Amino acid sequence: GQNIDQPTEMTATEGAIVQINCTYQTSGFNGLFWYQQHAGEAPTFLSYNVLDGLEEKGRFSSFLSRSKGYSYLLLKELQMKDSASYLCIGNAGNMLTFGGGTRLMVKP
Amino acid sequence: DAGVIQSPRHEVTEMGQEVTLRCKPISGHNSLFWYRQTMMRGLELLIYFNNNVPIDDSGMPEDRFSAKMPNASFSTLKIQPSEPRDSAVYFCATAGTSGSSTDTQYFGPGTRLTVL
Repeated sequence: GQNIDQPTEMTATEGAIVQINCTYQTSGFNGLFWYQQHAGEAPTFLSYNVLDGLEEKGRFSSFLSRSKGYSYLLLKELQMKDSASYLCIGNAGNMLTFGGGTRLMVKP
Repeated sequence: DAGVIQSPRHEVTEMGQEVTLRCKPISGHNSLFWYRQTMMRGLELLIYFNNNVPIDDSGMPEDRFSAKMPNASFSTLKIQPSEPRDSAVYFCATAGTSGSSTDTQYFGPGTRLTVL
């Protein structure tokens, strides 16, 4: 079967760094997506990791370890507008498995 | 490009009525996904089309739900008859040219459905 786990909620301070972890158990794993979703809005694409390692895009970076079934999303220089839910989505055999999302609250 | 277009943005209906949700994909995208999102269950994939053909409908909850994609520029999700537990936000997302779920998906604004 497929399973994705990520924390339900996290809190961090403006200007700080936060790491949102995601672990997965899937067969036929292809890659892992991260999406951001603000309350009341549609999800927006952040990253898609297929290979092991860290991919950086500005303030956001995503890491994947296929051997450990582990990924994280790293947010630097946190801004208030980063308060949102972050969805970890596994892609295996052309099927998508969704985590429950991590709600991040950024405080001043 | 206008992005993924969904209509209506909000729908309020009574139990037992038929509901039709519409989606216009980004031009040139050949994969289309229907999702449902609720507080209780989070984001769920209902059905996925590639080149207008349903590839995976294992997420469709029951026979009351049906989805069609008659051409590359239009898809519908129909619920008949609707029930209060169908109340949710329904998202349509489309993706580019490789035909697999590895493509980045672009989401529409969603349709907020309330069934009384």
